Amino acid sequence: EVQLLESGGGLVQPGGSLRLSCAASGFTFASYAMTWVRQAPGKGLEWVSGISGSGGSTYYADSVKGRFTISRDNSKNTLYLQMNSLRTEDTAVYYCAKHQIPAAGTISAFDYWGQGTLVTVSS
Amino acid sequence: EIVLTQSPGTLSLSPGERATLSCRASQSVSSSYLAWYQQKPGQAPRLLIYGASSRATGIPDRFSGSGSGTDFTLTISRLEPEDFAVYYCQHYGLSPQITFGGGTKVEI
Repeated sequence: EVQLLESGGGLVQPGGSLRLSCAASGFTFASYAMTWVRQAPGKGLEWVSGISGSGGSTYYADSVKGRFTISRDNSKNTLYLQMNSLRTEDTAVYYCAKHQIPAAGTISAFDYWGQGTLVTVSS
Repeated sequence: EIVLTQSPGTLSLSPGERATLSCRASQSVSSSYLAWYQQKPGQAPRLLIYGASSRATGIPDRFSGSGSGTDFTLTISRLEPEDFAVYYCQHYGLSPQITFGGGTKVEI
């Protein structure tokens, strides 16, 4: 059974940093691209960042480029999102998700999602 | 960036009725890269449809997707009580062109 478990969310002041983790199990982690999606309170879904299975290719939404860094440790089956220079508008539930097709890299739908971790940026 | 516009914003229906949800893209997209998700309150989204018309694993056949070019549709043939939720369309072309529509809420 595929499981994705996010952790690391919490309350942080504007300008601060936070690192999210996503522990994966139930599939060959290194074979699949992974992604982060966020959802501000009462709002829709926003793709944040994606990474290839090897970790060699990374992608970012314009809203977080230069502030967030996605990475993965395939030996630990874990995905990360380092968030720096946080802004109030980064407040959201952050979900990690698995891309559906290994050969397609990030060009595939998200077939499994974690339950999310809440990041609140406030003074 | 491809912008996806979903309509209507809210759909008020009764169990047993047919629901038709629309997703319009700002430019033509490959139907291979269009998905639909369902999200219930307090839960993560769930993949329903990928490649515009292929049902994901375990999705009942009352859910169907169609469309091409700029116009895509999610149809729920007969609403079950558990189908009342928010539905999002998504384009997943070459990153960073991963975008979601604003969502359609299907309510009783």
